[in-house]
Amino acid sequence: AQRVTQPEKLLSVFKGAPVELKCNYSYSGSPELFWYVQYSRQRLQLLLRHISRESIKGFTADLNKGETSFHLKKPFAQEEDSAMYYCALVAGGTSYGKLTFGQGTILTVHP
Amino acid sequence: GAGVSQSPSNKVTEKGKDVELRCDPISGHTALYWYRQSLGQGLEFLIYFQGNSAPDKSGLPSDRFSAERTGGSVSTLTIQRTQQEDSAVYLCASSQIGTGELFFGEGSRLTVL
Repeated sequence: AQRVTQPEKLLSVFKGAPVELKCNYSYSGSPELFWYVQYSRQRLQLLLRHISRESIKGFTADLNKGETSFHLKKPFAQEEDSAMYYCALVAGGTSYGKLTFGQGTILTVHP
Repeated sequence: GAGVSQSPSNKVTEKGKDVELRCDPISGHTALYWYRQSLGQGLEFLIYFQGNSAPDKSGLPSDRFSAERTGGSVSTLTIQRTQQEDSAVYLCASSQIGTGELFFGEGSRLTVL
């Protein structure tokens, strides 16, 4: 069975500081990984996916199969980045579709 | 509609009562999911519907929980004999298969007194 672990429930940084939200996964096959974000009073939405290898709102995430990690990083945090972040995994490729989410990390960026 | 619609947005009920939560997915999305969001528990998978395949019910916490999807569209999550630990936000999402991008509704907040 697959599992996603986000070890930090809360993370606080100051504006302009680098931020890294940790995500580790457990899955024997080749997973596909995602980061979802929920801003205050908004719906949960996709932030980025590892297969796209893209940067969204300054965030990047690299899949490290050796360490089974998919940490989310941003070099200079902004106040508008404050939100709940969830790491998620699809086992067996997106053809199956079911996502397993981590417990989430609440990021607070202080002015 | 433009997005996933859920109703009711808020439901307060007494312990032991049954509740029904409704989800109207994005038109054309073949996959529909129910998750439960509560403090300290993150997003807990409940059930997944994909087209005409048998639903994946592996996340339903007890036999008090059930869900159906009629006509491949609207879904109803039913909780029988509600307990206080059922209090949470119930999120519905839909997607096109093969994308991994789920579109979530605003959720139904259930409070069991």
